[in-house]
Amino acid sequence: ETGVTQTPRHLVMGMTNKKSLKCEQHLGHNAMYWYKQSAKKPLELMFVYNFKEQTENNSVPSRFSPECPNSSHLFLHLHTLQPEDSALYLCASSQDPGSPTYEQYFGPGTRLTVT
Amino acid sequence: GQNIDQPTEMTATEGAIVQINCTYQTSGFNGLFWYQQHAGEAPTFLSYNVLDGLEEKGRFSSFLSRSKGYSYLLLKELQMKDSASYLCASMDSNYQLIWGAGTKLIIKP
Repeated sequence: ETGVTQTPRHLVMGMTNKKSLKCEQHLGHNAMYWYKQSAKKPLELMFVYNFKEQTENNSVPSRFSPECPNSSHLFLHLHTLQPEDSALYLCASSQDPGSPTYEQYFGPGTRLTVT
Repeated sequence: GQNIDQPTEMTATEGAIVQINCTYQTSGFNGLFWYQQHAGEAPTFLSYNVLDGLEEKGRFSSFLSRSKGYSYLLLKELQMKDSASYLCASMDSNYQLIWGAGTKLIIKP
């Protein structure tokens, strides 16, 4: 149990569908992150939220839309995705993104397949 | 540009020792992290180095040389459960983690 949960664990969607990924952290952390993990590639940071405010958006296409209603919940809304968006989407949280001594706690990820 | 290099795959024998190397180039440096990721699971934190030298934590140790932009993770007394991917990440001046692609470690009996 890592304290970070993600749903669904697996998702198959067509390119015209709209779906949402959900992340919840039970660790009392202030920062939450979305990452994309593709096979044999480095983790790609997508979005960072600190105290519910978005602080990073690493040139992510607008078909990915994050939402952070509070410090414990993070969503990733998906629409009109492309097959190359198929990947493992990981959510993470940490106490303070500005501290060099923090560590990130990851959820188990959502395995997304776009058909 | 920012870059993290680590071997794609390594194989070792149960009970042996293995060293996984990582070289990094980042804009600024606020520490080097190692994470372990079992197949189909979340990455979990192993170690953090910000000063030169060796940090030991049970069977796992991590080393850092800032002047060389180099780190390694040393795993002793390997067990089958150590089969996993090991991710190296450098924290840059903006406190963002720059990740390597991971090293898949295969342990054989």
